[in-house]
Amino acid sequence: DAGVIQSPRHEVTEMGQEVTLRCKPISGHNSLFWYRQTMMRGLELLIYFNNNVPIDDSGMPEDRFSAKMPNASFSTLKIQPSEPRDSAVYFCASSRLADTQYFGPGTRLTVL
Amino acid sequence: RKEVEQDPGPFNVPEGATVAFNCTYSNSASQSFFWYRQDCRKEPKLLMSVYSSGNEDGRFTAQLNRASQYISLLIRDSKLSDSATYLCVVGHNTDKLIFGTGTRLQVFP
Repeated sequence: DAGVIQSPRHEVTEMGQEVTLRCKPISGHNSLFWYRQTMMRGLELLIYFNNNVPIDDSGMPEDRFSAKMPNASFSTLKIQPSEPRDSAVYFCASSRLADTQYFGPGTRLTVL
Repeated sequence: RKEVEQDPGPFNVPEGATVAFNCTYSNSASQSFFWYRQDCRKEPKLLMSVYSSGNEDGRFTAQLNRASQYISLLIRDSKLSDSATYLCVVGHNTDKLIFGTGTRLQVFP
C-alpha cells in the first residue's frame, strides 16, 4: 500500500513568495495532520482535520499560513508571503480516527 | 515549560549495551502514550505504544507511571541500527498528539 505522499520533497524559495505544500493521505484514513519540525522547537502540530473538517488550528503560526482539505485524498498547506523563519521540514500525517499516525516523507522548505 | 520533556542526549553507547530513556509529561489528563523513532532526515515512525501495565517488544520495553507522569523506554542489547532519535509522544482524548523534542541515541561498534 502507498504511504502518505507529500510534494514537493524540497522547496527553495525567496522571501515574499507563496509556497504550497501538498499531501495525499493513506486511503481510508479520516484524520490528517500537518506538522512543522525545526531543531529549536522540535515537531509542532500546525493543524488537523477529521473527515476533511479542520478541528484544531491553534498551532498555525499566523495568518500567513492556511490549510485546506477539499476532499478525503488531498490537502494543502499554503504560506503567503513566506519568510526565512518559515524554513523547516513540514510533515503530513494521517490516521484512522484516534489510531496510529503515519507520516509522509516531509517537505524540506528553505526560504532565502 | 514544555508539555512533554525529554533529555536531548546524545546517548553514546557501545553495541550490546542497555540504555534507558525517560520522559515526563505535564498534563495529567493525557490518555495515550507512545514512543516514535526518527532516523536522520526521515519521518517519525511508531516504535511502540505504552500501556500502564508496561509492555515489551523484543529488545524494547516501555513503562508508564501515571502517578509520576513519567514514561520510559529501555533498549537491551543495543544494535548499530538502533541509532536514531527517540520521540516521546503523549495524546489527549482527541487525535492530537504532543511530541517531545527527542533523545538522540548513537550506538558505536
